[in-house]
Amino acid sequence: DAVMTQSPLSLPVTLGQPASISCRSSQSLVSSDGNTYLNWFQQRPGQSPRRLIYEVSNRDSGVPDRFSGSGSGTDFTLKISRVEAEDVGVYYCMQGTHSPPWTFGQGTRVDIK
Amino acid sequence: EVQLVESGGDLVQPGGSLRLSCAASGFTFSRSWMSWVRQAPGKGLEWVANINQAGSEKYYVDSVRGRFTISRDNAKNSLYLQMNSLRVDDTAVYYCAKGRGLDNWGQGTLVTVSS
Repeated sequence: DAVMTQSPLSLPVTLGQPASISCRSSQSLVSSDGNTYLNWFQQRPGQSPRRLIYEVSNRDSGVPDRFSGSGSGTDFTLKISRVEAEDVGVYYCMQGTHSPPWTFGQGTRVDIK
Repeated sequence: EVQLVESGGDLVQPGGSLRLSCAASGFTFSRSWMSWVRQAPGKGLEWVANINQAGSEKYYVDSVRGRFTISRDNAKNSLYLQMNSLRVDDTAVYYCAKGRGLDNWGQGTLVTVSS
């Protein structure tokens, strides 16, 4: 199974400042079809998860452009250019290349300093 | 607008059974893979199972294989998860999600396994 490791696990940020979350896979996530199936999800307190980014860097509809995804192979990053209060929550990466199973990172908790 | 509404969660004793349902609307259900993902209290997300459009391909996480069965009824736009031989560590909120990429999620239904 592909093991997904996120860091940091807790990220206190100042409003208006940038934030960055790392996600590393135990195996390259480049699929035999050439795509890289790495997604990012946001879970606000008390809410269901919501997908933000699919296939490394594609923002889902309605996701603010302050969110961006990057990376390749085994190393990936979710960046928030300027953190807003509504960004508080837990962020998860998930791989679908080496599936089944589809596997998630442990989650990174973002809160305001 | 995509809507996924789970139901069926309950308190059940260890060894018991439960059937979860997910009612889908706002998209062509019969053309979409569908998934179940769970979240134990205070814990992270765990993919549980998914099923292809026709119901002919089904995949499970190792910890539930042989105990849980995913199924669908395309005529009713509904997804199901039959859970047998439930264990205390199956306690979680169970989410229905659209696609293998989990592009839309329901609100979840709580399953509590306890004596």
